[in-house]
Amino acid sequence: SQTIHQWPATLVQPVGSPLSLECTVEGTSNPNLYWYRQAAGRGLQLLFYSVGIGQISSEVPQNLSASRPQDRQFILSSKKLLLSDSGFYLCAWSPGTPTSGELFFGEGSRLTVL
Amino acid sequence: AQSVTQLGSHVSVSEGALVLLRCNYSSSVPPYLFWYVQYPNQGLQLLLKYTTGATLVKGINGFEAEFKKSETSFHLTKPSAHMSDAAEYFCAVKGTGGFKTIFGAGTRLFVKA
Repeated sequence: SQTIHQWPATLVQPVGSPLSLECTVEGTSNPNLYWYRQAAGRGLQLLFYSVGIGQISSEVPQNLSASRPQDRQFILSSKKLLLSDSGFYLCAWSPGTPTSGELFFGEGSRLTVL
Repeated sequence: AQSVTQLGSHVSVSEGALVLLRCNYSSSVPPYLFWYVQYPNQGLQLLLKYTTGATLVKGINGFEAEFKKSETSFHLTKPSAHMSDAAEYFCAVKGTGGFKTIFGAGTRLFVKA
């Protein structure tokens, strides 16, 4: 069966520090991968998605970047965090072949920038 | 382009009462529609989805939703609320052939004893 792992679960970082959130998927190949951000009281905002190694689509101009160094690994990064980067970050995957596209989510990473 | 509007950021019902969470969407192509549930500090879990075919879709935990193309709606219902249904619910839309799923702002469901 497929599983998705996301870490760290909780992170408290000072403004201006770097960020790296990691996500890996097991039990499938060529998945589509996604990073969403959920701010308090708001819905999910799509940040990045990837349909293959090295292929990253950015949805929102911001202080963040994403990389996909391996087929089942997706990394969210920042060189210098802002207060507005605080939130709950969710990694998700969907099957790579044409499907209905339901998403399978990780448990999330809560980032607090102080 | 796709978008989703969920009417009501908070809904409160009594245990045993009908649950109705409203969702309207817009899509330039035939949509796939989803309802997800999120419990505190967890990721989202799929409740049900509409792709093609029967417009009344049944999901887990007794939930169902009906796709109404003429009304561009996909409302979520459950005949009898249970305390364990208290959570946040998200409606989402994805265009057929696309890669992006767009979510509504969410509706938090409270269930009173």
